[in-house]
Order: sequence, then structure tokens, then C-alpha cells
Amino acid sequence: SQTIHQWPATLVQPVGSPLSLECTVEGTSNPNLYWYRQAAGRGLQLLFYSVGIGQISSEVPQNLSASRPQDRQFILSSKKLLLSDSGFYLCAWRGLREDNEQFFGPGTRLTVL
Amino acid sequence: GENVEQHPSTLSVQEGDSAVIKCTYSDSASNYFPWYKQELGKGPQLIIDIRSNVGEKKDQRIAVTLNKTAKHFSLHITETQPEDSAVYFCAANTDSWGKLQFGAGTQVVVTP
Repeated sequence: SQTIHQWPATLVQPVGSPLSLECTVEGTSNPNLYWYRQAAGRGLQLLFYSVGIGQISSEVPQNLSASRPQDRQFILSSKKLLLSDSGFYLCAWRGLREDNEQFFGPGTRLTVL
Repeated sequence: GENVEQHPSTLSVQEGDSAVIKCTYSDSASNYFPWYKQELGKGPQLIIDIRSNVGEKKDQRIAVTLNKTAKHFSLHITETQPEDSAVYFCAANTDSWGKLQFGAGTQVVVTP
């Protein structure tokens, strides 16, 4: 069966510090991968998605970037965090078939102070 | 682009009663409509979905209906239990890459 992991689970970082969040998927090959941010108030905002190694599409201009160095690894980064980067970051995956469901990871709670 | 509206934003029900959450979408090309349940501090969990070639789908106490003409779909939870308390999100696909547009969420509180 497929599983998705995210780490760290929680993170507190000062303004101006760098960021690296990692997401890995097990039990599938060539998944589509997604990064979402969920600010206080529940809404889910798609940040990036990837259909293959090295292929990243950005949905929203921001202080963040994403990379996919391996088939089942997706990384969210920032060179300098802003207060507004605080939130709950969720990684999700979907199989290649168009009708496949999208599944979310456990999330990373980021607080920027 | 796709726009998904979800109502109500909060829903309080007595245990054993039914709960209904409604969503509307704007893009007639959307053909996949999942529902997610999110408990506090956890990632959203897919609970049921429906595709545009069917009008209704049921899984035990939850069901989803779709009206393509009116562009709306609904989640129905029957015989609610305290463990149904969570935030529920509807979504619609926006393209073939699997991108989803989410509703704003509904906080469901089931009181014993």
C-alpha cells in the first residue's frame, strides 16, 4: 500500500532563516506531487505541483520554491522566511491515471517568529 | 478558472441527526468531486468522491450527490456520531494534472 511521509511535523523558525520541508511517498511510482498551504481559517491553497523529476509548476508567486530531486521526493524551500509563511504545509500525491484520487500527508506546522 | 463555494461554514447537529454540506462549482468541464475530512492537526482524509458520470454514491453513513446541470454537489452524513466532528472540504478538479480547487470548509460539531 502507498504511504506518504512529511517531516518535520512541527517547526519554529525565526524570520529571515532558511526552510526545507520534505515529503516522500512509498509504494507507488511516478506520482504527481503537490504542496499546499493551509493558513489559520482552514482554506487549502495549492503552491506547487510536479508531474516528474525536475518538473515543477508554481501556482502562486511567493517566497517559496519547490524541487523534486527523486521520483518520490518533494521538497519545499525558502531562502529567507517571512512572518506570513507561517501555516500548515501539506504534501499530497496522485497516481498517473487521470481518475486517481489525491491523498494527503500528515502535514508540517510551521511557525515563523 | 474553477471556483468552489461551500456552505455552511459551521454546522452543529445532535448525535443521530443528519448533516448536509453543499458545494457549487463554476467550471462545467470539472468531472471529479472529492470530499475530505480533516481532524485537528492532521492532514485531510479522502472520505468519498464522485465522478460526473454518476449522480449519487453511497458508502455506509455517507453519501454524495451531484447535479451537473445546476453545478452543485452535496455531502450527506446520516446517524451522526461524535467522531464525525471535523472540518469537511469539498473540491473539484481543474485540469487533467489532478489539480483541485477546494471549498473553504465546513466545521461540523456533533453534540451528544
